[in-house]
Amino acid sequence: AQKITQTQPGMFVQEKEAVTLDCTYDTSDPSYGLFWYKQPSSGEMIFLIYQGSYDQQNATEGRYSLNFQKARKSANLVISASQLGDSAMYFCAMREGGNSGGSNYKLTFGKGTLLTVNP
Amino acid sequence: NAGVTQTPKFRVLKTGQSMTLLCAQDMNHEYMYWYRQDPGMGLRLIHYSVGEGTTAKGEVPDGYNVSRLKKQNFLLGLESAAPSQTSVYFCASSYYPGLAIHYEQYFGPGTRLTVT
Repeated sequence: AQKITQTQPGMFVQEKEAVTLDCTYDTSDPSYGLFWYKQPSSGEMIFLIYQGSYDQQNATEGRYSLNFQKARKSANLVISASQLGDSAMYFCAMREGGNSGGSNYKLTFGKGTLLTVNP
Repeated sequence: NAGVTQTPKFRVLKTGQSMTLLCAQDMNHEYMYWYRQDPGMGLRLIHYSVGEGTTAKGEVPDGYNVSRLKKQNFLLGLESAAPSQTSVYFCASSYYPGLAIHYEQYFGPGTRLTVT
């Protein structure tokens, strides 16, 4: 079974509007972290935001926020006031805490969502 | 700080040729990783290292070898390149996660490899 699922291969949003990129995950480890990375057309991977499984509040970083619903195992990225520069591929990733027999060293990535911001 | 650097940025190989990709980081990170990125597949872990002199296999290790002789460097080798190894290769590094699994991985700019 996939550990990280991003069901939206592509998304379109108008400039200045908000957009939500979906991510669901699967783990039996009580301790884990969820990450979002942005990959613009230039190719580099840019870390955006992190949410820990024990964090009580949803993470926020500027225009990025993470809608963390632990019971539903979802960690959706919300981008407010989209800008043209937000057009990129977005990856959700998970690191498990190693408490359920797995290893805590690796990130498991989803397949990504390509976001296009229209002017 | 340069962060994570990768050499070369682009390379074209013929089937059967060998090459080494070099990754260097100046952040004193313990962990280093090699990923490959293929269209529609996200990033998949090839090999990783938890410290100088240690390496281990990831999800897709076949056809690759690695070495970490110095803490700051992590080398990825292709002994006999195949067209299936055409991909974009990313190196990453991080602090030891330990109990603090919030440490993100810092990525290099990537190497685009084509095997004909």
